[in-house]
Amino acid sequence: NAGVTQTPKFQVLKTGQSMTLQCAQDMNHEYMSWYRQDPGMGLRLIHYSVGAGITDQGEVPNGYNVSRSTTEDFPLRLLSAAPSQTSVYFCASSYSSSGGYEQYFGPGTRLTVT
Amino acid sequence: SQQGEEDPQALSIQEGENATMNCSYKTSINNLQWYRQNSGRGLVHLILIRSNEREKHSGRLRVTLDTSKKSSSLLITASRAADTASYFCASNYKLTFGKGTLLTVNP
Repeated sequence: NAGVTQTPKFQVLKTGQSMTLQCAQDMNHEYMSWYRQDPGMGLRLIHYSVGAGITDQGEVPNGYNVSRSTTEDFPLRLLSAAPSQTSVYFCASSYSSSGGYEQYFGPGTRLTVT
Repeated sequence: SQQGEEDPQALSIQEGENATMNCSYKTSINNLQWYRQNSGRGLVHLILIRSNEREKHSGRLRVTLDTSKKSSSLLITASRAADTASYFCASNYKLTFGKGTLLTVNP
């Protein structure tokens, strides 16, 4: 198993541009989520999904969209990039949304918005 | 709001010493998990303790949970330089994290 994969690893955007961060898992996990991590901070939850076709907002959803058309993929879309969205983005997945299961994290995407 | 808050924010010890990190949380939990993050990398799951458990061991790791105080501790025994990392606690499935404890183990 490849686990949780994220692409790209690095990205530089100009203010106002849009892009999609890709996340995929091959473990047939039900639950997937996106976090952002800023320097000296913990991870903050952006959006999450408890299964295909179901998504919900986390702590900091503004400026981001998600969809979950398949179990495997959970892309994160930045609609109009802003410098405040400069961060490292992590995708994670877990066997179940019922709790009690470890989450597997991807290697992260480092995004810079100029 | 952050469900898990780790303490201390930074901890520096010598190889071979024990390291203890604490976590406090605000609302009731089903389980609490500890994760490690090496610089620039994704988080790696270390151990999960359920709300009906008081202590759990995994190798050199020992985790305790006190639901009456809404707190947990992570003990790493006989630390190694490779244990240098940030450590985070988080609860339930919609994990929310604190800022973590940065552990530095000096050779």
